[in-house]
Amino acid sequence: GQQLNQSPQSMFIQEGEDVSMNCTSSSIFNTWLWYKQDPGEGPVLLIALYKAGELTSNGRLTAQFGITRKDSFLNISASIPSDVGIYFCAGSSSNTGKLIFGQGTTLQVKP
Amino acid sequence: DTAVSQTPKYLVTQMGNDKSIKCEQNLGHDTMYWYKQDSKKFLKIMFSYNNKELIINETVPNRFSPKSPDKAHLNLHINSLELGDSAVYFCASSHRLAGDNEQFFGPGTRLTVL
Repeated sequence: GQQLNQSPQSMFIQEGEDVSMNCTSSSIFNTWLWYKQDPGEGPVLLIALYKAGELTSNGRLTAQFGITRKDSFLNISASIPSDVGIYFCAGSSSNTGKLIFGQGTTLQVKP
Repeated sequence: DTAVSQTPKYLVTQMGNDKSIKCEQNLGHDTMYWYKQDSKKFLKIMFSYNNKELIINETVPNRFSPKSPDKAHLNLHINSLELGDSAVYFCASSHRLAGDNEQFFGPGTRLTVL
């Protein structure tokens, strides 16, 4: 079945640093989504991407839909302590709405 | 003004019991989903319903039965609970028929089977 590889698995950075994480797929996706999950909460949608090559920003967050449609990355600029959490990529290639999730990237920010 | 809500937030029960988790969305979405998040935080889809019709049914034991009384509600009933069912269960919804696959998640239900 379809699989997503998300890396890195975890990151520990200093406040103010930029962060980059990515996802790669063994197959083509039509949609890429990036979510953030805080402890004890549900995932919150950050950015949605629908076209190959699309580059979308949401505040300090920027994500891109890879040209090959098999990858996506998320950048966070000038990280702050509240960026701490688990970031998930998710992809969909069907019209059923089925999302395949990456394993998550745990981000810790040192003040 | 809660978008996707789930009850209960926590559920602790004995092995062999039957339990239900309820989900409601007030976003006017047409499709609802159930996900399971294991101890390693891996999220996997279990079911999805569109307007009370089952769309996705992953390889989930038939002890799990979703029920959708209307398009704003999708409940999950679990029979004969097992230790391995302990996890966090998330409900989500989207406006799938409009070509929008942005799924919005509820706060989760942490199920602990003793």
